Amino acid sequence: DVHFVQSGAEVKKPGDSLKISCEGFGDTFSTDWIAWVRQMPGKGLEWMGIVYFGDSDRTYSPAFEGRITISADKSTRTVFLQWSSLRTSDTALYFCARLKGGFDVWGPGTSVTVSS
Amino acid sequence: DIQMTQSPSTLSASVGDRVTFTCRASAGISRRVAWYQQKPGKAPKLLLHKASILESDVPSRFSGSGIGTEFSLTITNLQPDDSATYYCQHYDNYSQYDFGQGTKLEIE
Repeated sequence: DVHFVQSGAEVKKPGDSLKISCEGFGDTFSTDWIAWVRQMPGKGLEWMGIVYFGDSDRTYSPAFEGRITISADKSTRTVFLQWSSLRTSDTALYFCARLKGGFDVWGPGTSVTVSS
Repeated sequence: DIQMTQSPSTLSASVGDRVTFTCRASAGISRRVAWYQQKPGKAPKLLLHKASILESDVPSRFSGSGIGTEFSLTITNLQPDDSATYYCQHYDNYSQYDFGQGTKLEIE
């Protein structure tokens, strides 16, 4: 059974840095692309960026480029999403998802709350 | 960038009804559209990709169609469990994966 385990909920202050993770189980991800998707409270889905496990090639949505960094560690089958300086507007649920004819496998989401 | 516009934003229907959601792209995108179902507090679930290819675990009551700029998702014989928000998504060769704003389906 292919699935993702994401890191736990985070509560941070504005200006803090943060790195959340998404670990893949049950299949080989060496040739897969993994995306991050944001969902702000009560809002829709926003694609943030995508990374290729094979060589860590990545593409960012223009809406998020420059604010986030996406990386991958092939040895641990883990993808990361990080911020160097959080804002209150980063409060959201963050999902990782595998690209295979659409986003076919999703993680359960990591809740990030940024509040002073 | 391609913009995806969904309509309506909310849809109310009854058990047994047939409903159709529409998604319009700002430019032609061939058949590079996926549809998702999301229930509150849960991760989205992929229903279809390439506009009309049903995922293996999705009931045949769900179907998709369209090409170019107009796409639709149809659910027949509505069930109470179909109550959810439905999103379309444009995907484009590792460069863009933007979602529509979603349609909330309420079962009366």
